[in-house]
Amino acid sequence: AQSVAQPEDQVNVAEGNPLTVKCTYSVSGNPYLFWYVQYPNRGLQFLLKYITGDNLVKGSYGFEAEFNKSQTSFHLKKPSALVSDSALYFCAVNTGGFKTIFGAGTRLFVKA
Amino acid sequence: DSGVTQTPKHLITATGQRVTLRCSPRSGDLSVYWYQQSLDQGLQFLIQYYNGEERAKGNILERFSAQQFPDLHSELNLSSLELGDSALYFCASSVGTSGIDEQFFGPGTRLTVL
Repeated sequence: AQSVAQPEDQVNVAEGNPLTVKCTYSVSGNPYLFWYVQYPNRGLQFLLKYITGDNLVKGSYGFEAEFNKSQTSFHLKKPSALVSDSALYFCAVNTGGFKTIFGAGTRLFVKA
Repeated sequence: DSGVTQTPKHLITATGQRVTLRCSPRSGDLSVYWYQQSLDQGLQFLIQYYNGEERAKGNILERFSAQQFPDLHSELNLSSLELGDSALYFCASSVGTSGIDEQFFGPGTRLTVL
């Protein structure tokens, strides 16, 4: 069975510092990996995805993620955090089937 | 704005009642997904439809049912409501069903069961 784990419930970072939100996955087959962001009282918004090819994926709002097959990870990163990045972040995985599995979410707090 | 619309935004009802949540997908999207988000359960996949046909089922209770109509809008029916059904219900849509397409989420319906 496929699964995705976000080991940190919360990540705190100061504005201007780099941020990392961690995600690991377990699948049989090649994974399709996604990051979504949820702002308060809003639906999830797509940030970026990895399907195949270059392991470093760039997405919206300056975010990027690196696919690491050997470590089965897909960590979300940003070189310089903004207060407006504070939100709930979800990692998700699909293996080409009908069901996308979402992680439990990581709450990011960026302090001014 | 994702292009996915959900109505109503808020719904307050009593235990034992039945409600219907409605979703209109983005123009051109054939797949519709329903999710339940509660504080202690995270985002739970309920069910997926593609072009009117059920394609995948997740942790959907037997008291819940859904359908997708010929115009591609979808409805989620929740019956014999319990206090624990209080949650945010999201609809999402995507172009296809291959799993490589990102999903576009609606603003959600907040259901409160009293």
